[in-house]
Amino acid sequence: GDSVTQMEGPVTLSEEAFLTINCTYTATGYPSLFWYVQYPGEGLQLLLKATKADDKGSNKGFEATYRKETTSFHLEKGSVQVSDSAVYFCALSGRYSSASKIIFGSGTRLSIRP
Amino acid sequence: NAGVTQTPKFRVLKTGQSMTLLCAQDMNHEYMYWYRQDPGMGLRLIHYSVGEGTTAKGEVPDGYNVSRLKKQNFLLGLESAAPSQTSVYFCASSYLLAGDKETQYFGPGTRLLVL
Repeated sequence: GDSVTQMEGPVTLSEEAFLTINCTYTATGYPSLFWYVQYPGEGLQLLLKATKADDKGSNKGFEATYRKETTSFHLEKGSVQVSDSAVYFCALSGRYSSASKIIFGSGTRLSIRP
Repeated sequence: NAGVTQTPKFRVLKTGQSMTLLCAQDMNHEYMYWYRQDPGMGLRLIHYSVGEGTTAKGEVPDGYNVSRLKKQNFLLGLESAAPSQTSVYFCASSYLLAGDKETQYFGPGTRLLVL
């Protein structure tokens, strides 16, 4: 079945460092890919998404490119801030009966040191 | 526009007790979902609904029941709570299915502890 694998955390970086969080997927067909972010004490929020191969999603300085050849959707940011500390979930949209279902990775906790 | 709200935010139950979690959305979404989040396991779908009056099982439905009597509300019930149901529960909603481009909107979560 469809699945998402993302790098285990926690990841700890200093402010202004470069960030990469790896995500690979297994899916039949052509899923859409997402990154969701969960700030402390809050629910998940959509960070960015890409709906077809070679699409780049971007938001708040974060980027991820849908790579069909490597089945990857790595999240990157050139210069992280303390406010980026959160848990990041890679996800793909699959089909589950008649509803669209999102399959989540296990999450990567990111901590940024001032 | 409150988005997706969940009640309560936190609850402690004893084994065998029952409770209902309420999810409400004001975005006129057709689809609603209940997930549980456990450490190291991401989110797992418990039940979902494709419209008022309809519900369906997700990946981990055992021990839970749901109802969607009104379009804006989706209730999750635990008839006889067990310690294995200690988790954080998230409700989500989305527009009618539109290919694979769908985005889900999440509530803030309910933290449940079963002793």
